[in-house]
Amino acid sequence: DQQVKQNSPSLSVQEGRISILNCDYTNSMFDYFLWYKKYPAEGPTFLISISSIKDKNEDGRFTVFLNKSAKHLSLHIVPSQPGDSAVYFCAASASEKLVFGKGTKLTVNP
Amino acid sequence: KAGVTQTPRYLIKTRGQQVTLSCSPISGHRSVSWYQQTPGQGLQFLFEYFSETQRNKGNFPGRFSGRQFSNSRSEMNVSTLELGDSALYLCASSLWGRDTQYFGPGTRLTVL
Repeated sequence: DQQVKQNSPSLSVQEGRISILNCDYTNSMFDYFLWYKKYPAEGPTFLISISSIKDKNEDGRFTVFLNKSAKHLSLHIVPSQPGDSAVYFCAASASEKLVFGKGTKLTVNP
Repeated sequence: KAGVTQTPRYLIKTRGQQVTLSCSPISGHRSVSWYQQTPGQGLQFLFEYFSETQRNKGNFPGRFSGRQFSNSRSEMNVSTLELGDSALYLCASSLWGRDTQYFGPGTRLTVL
């Protein structure tokens, strides 16, 4: 039973355009959501988070949107840069345990 | 502040052997979580320790165990290794577990 789903295994965008990564969850008890970025041979790096009491959180080029009724969150990267190319993991928690999606590989083409 | 460190970075074992992986959290962090990453399954939660106590556990067999020491350093042990245990094992630390987790570089385990 996959509680956090990232249905797109990969995404390719042009440099300068917007990247939108999507994530769906099933557990309504989740109240804290995070996005991590992972480069090959490195551990995931925290990117941005959002609490369930908010519907938007912005940090520079990164914005996370949360739609609780749809149990959906998305990460927007504007403008996308080649250095953003990595695997992005969505994660959710209802306690001290993080549940991760399987990741979306983002490729930003110059 | 030094980040999360994991040793060893790479390990090759054979089926039936056992292995111990080590994780040193960021100074001051009391929560340590372990994850297994495989290409097909993504990141899967193994367990979380806080103040030397296992507080949460994922859906892994009893061959996977761990512990945490008084200095918050943690070890993970896998006994009777199977081919399917080949994976990247990641450790993450946080102040109290509900806050942002910071990951180490991982230990790449290969079981032959």
